[in-house]
Amino acid sequence: KAGVTQTPRYLIKTRGQQVTLSCSPISGHRSVSWYQQTPGQGLQFLFEYFSETQRNKGNFPGRFSGRQFSNSRSEMNVSTLELGDSALYLCASSPTTGANSPLHFGNGTRLTVT
Amino acid sequence: SQQGEEDPQALSIQEGENATMNCSYKTSINNLQWYRQNSGRGLVHLILIRSNEREKHSGRLRVTLDTSKKSSSLLITASRAADTASYFCATGDSGAGSYQLTFGKGTKLSVIP
Repeated sequence: KAGVTQTPRYLIKTRGQQVTLSCSPISGHRSVSWYQQTPGQGLQFLFEYFSETQRNKGNFPGRFSGRQFSNSRSEMNVSTLELGDSALYLCASSPTTGANSPLHFGNGTRLTVT
Repeated sequence: SQQGEEDPQALSIQEGENATMNCSYKTSINNLQWYRQNSGRGLVHLILIRSNEREKHSGRLRVTLDTSKKSSSLLITASRAADTASYFCATGDSGAGSYQLTFGKGTKLSVIP
């Protein structure tokens, strides 16, 4: 099976712009989660989608949003970018929701905001 | 907020030696997982131990869990240069019927050939 695919791999944006990141989960996986990783804050949970519904959201401002499509592919959007949004954004998939199975991570999208 | 805290933050050993990393957490858990991350890449799942388990093995990895002390350890035996990576513990929270892992800040392991 193909792994979790995230596109693009690298992205450079300017403050105030918006960005959309894409994630294709492992075939058959219905849960997609997003995490932000920074040197200062470490790995932080953004949100989880299961069957096109947002199940949970982390402590991030409303500028961060996401969605999941019927084929389980997911996108996350960050509007009005700030310098502090520079991070590695990781997507992970799991067959089901509920924290009893491993997460399968993609290699991430490295976002740099200038 | 960080649930798991790894110790030490960094560890440097010679190839062939064993590496031990510890993780402490604060609240009740369903399970505890360990992940590895090579520089700039995604996380790779290593092992999941449930709250009613005390020890689990996978190849050269051995994980222990002490729920009374809210701690876990990851032992890598006979380390190799390829084990050089950051290692994270993560606790699973299935509250509200969703899937959320809370990660510690990780232990950076360097294995010197």
